[in-house]
Amino acid sequence: KNEVEQSPQNLTAQEGEFITINCSYSVGISALHWLQQHPGGGIVSLFMLSSGKKKHGRLIATINIQEKHSSLHITASHPRDSAVYICAGMNYGGSQGNLIFGKGTKLSVKP
Amino acid sequence: DSGVTQTPKHLITATGQRVTLRCSPRSGDLSVYWYQQSLDQGLQFLIQYYNGEERAKGNILERFSAQQFPDLHSELNLSSLELGDSALYFCASSFPGTSGGRKTGELFFGEGSRLTVL
Repeated sequence: KNEVEQSPQNLTAQEGEFITINCSYSVGISALHWLQQHPGGGIVSLFMLSSGKKKHGRLIATINIQEKHSSLHITASHPRDSAVYICAGMNYGGSQGNLIFGKGTKLSVKP
Repeated sequence: DSGVTQTPKHLITATGQRVTLRCSPRSGDLSVYWYQQSLDQGLQFLIQYYNGEERAKGNILERFSAQQFPDLHSELNLSSLELGDSALYFCASSFPGTSGGRKTGELFFGEGSRLTVL
């Protein structure tokens, strides 16, 4: 069993739909990253959060440390949101980039 | 553009060979992290350097080594290559603390180096 689990593995949505990707972890972490990887392979950091909620444009990330669960929401989805979304936990006492990664959720948004 | 530069973008080599991947971090970032992304294992943290010193080790094989130079660029050396080493290798950089609007923990990734071992 992976220490960081994501669901679903694959997600297809119609443009405009509200999307939720979930991340659960079984290890103690001090913070969690949400990353976006486009088909070309490049990775972009979307959020790093250790509590509560963060919002950037149409993206919202929440985390519940006690329940060891985080969600990434995309409102009014668009085909350009099609990518792989990866959550990654930062170990206690570890540095920012010392991460345990989930397997990723492949999102496809159809026009 | 993240500001992190990785070279080469693509590399094809044979088993048993040795290659060096290079990473130039964002200007002013002191930490460099290396990651491996393979089809079967996904993304894995390999190693971190901070201001020239090794700071943390992850799932890095003994055949692999890294270093960070005084100008803060970093190199990942992969030797005695095996078919299973074929993967995307990413580096990322970060800046500790906050200064000039930079946030602690914000990671910036390079575009990756795709290694194919034949």
